Amino acid sequence: EDQVTQSPEALRLQEGESSSLNCSYTVSGLRGLFWYRQDPGKGPEFLFTLYSAGEEKEKERLKATLTKKESFLHITAPKPEDSATYLCAVQANNFNKFYFGSGTKLNVKP
Amino acid sequence: DTGVSQDPRHKITKRGQNVTFRCDPISEHNRLYWYRQTLGQGPEFLTYFQNEAQLEKSRLLSDRFSAERPKGSFSTLEIQRTEQGDSAMYLCASSLVSGADTQYFGPGTRLTVL
Repeated sequence: EDQVTQSPEALRLQEGESSSLNCSYTVSGLRGLFWYRQDPGKGPEFLFTLYSAGEEKEKERLKATLTKKESFLHITAPKPEDSATYLCAVQANNFNKFYFGSGTKLNVKP
Repeated sequence: DTGVSQDPRHKITKRGQNVTFRCDPISEHNRLYWYRQTLGQGPEFLTYFQNEAQLEKSRLLSDRFSAERPKGSFSTLEIQRTEQGDSAMYLCASSLVSGADTQYFGPGTRLTVL
């Protein structure tokens, strides 16, 4: 069964303290892995799409990487405005729907 | 490109009433998805359309839920005889069929069933 697990559930960081969020997945043929940011009461905001193991994407303080079993979202020198829930989703080759994890709630303290 | 829009943003209803939500996708996108999200969880797939055809429905979607996309543009999601368990955020997303099926989400409709 296709499945996505994110860890940790919650993460508290001091401003400038770098860390990583994990997304482990099992899927029968990966078409793509997607990272989203979601602020309270809003819809998910697209960040990255990764397609194959070894691929990396960067945007400002965020860097996403992908292996055959998991993806990491690295946050370098985070700022309070990076506080949000980060969602990971996978799309299988034989389905168009996304399977989402439960997210990691990030809180960056000034 | 004005993004995905949803209406209303908030809906409060009494148990047993019917509700209808609207989603307007990004104009050139031909796929449209509906998801439901409860507090502390990721979005859960409900159904999706390619143009006007509804191609997949979740097994979790009871017969009280129905969705349409009559002209391949906007879509509506109707919930009949609402129950308290239907309280959730209902999210719409759209994408352009290609190898990169990135889905772009709207702001959601928050439903509260009293």
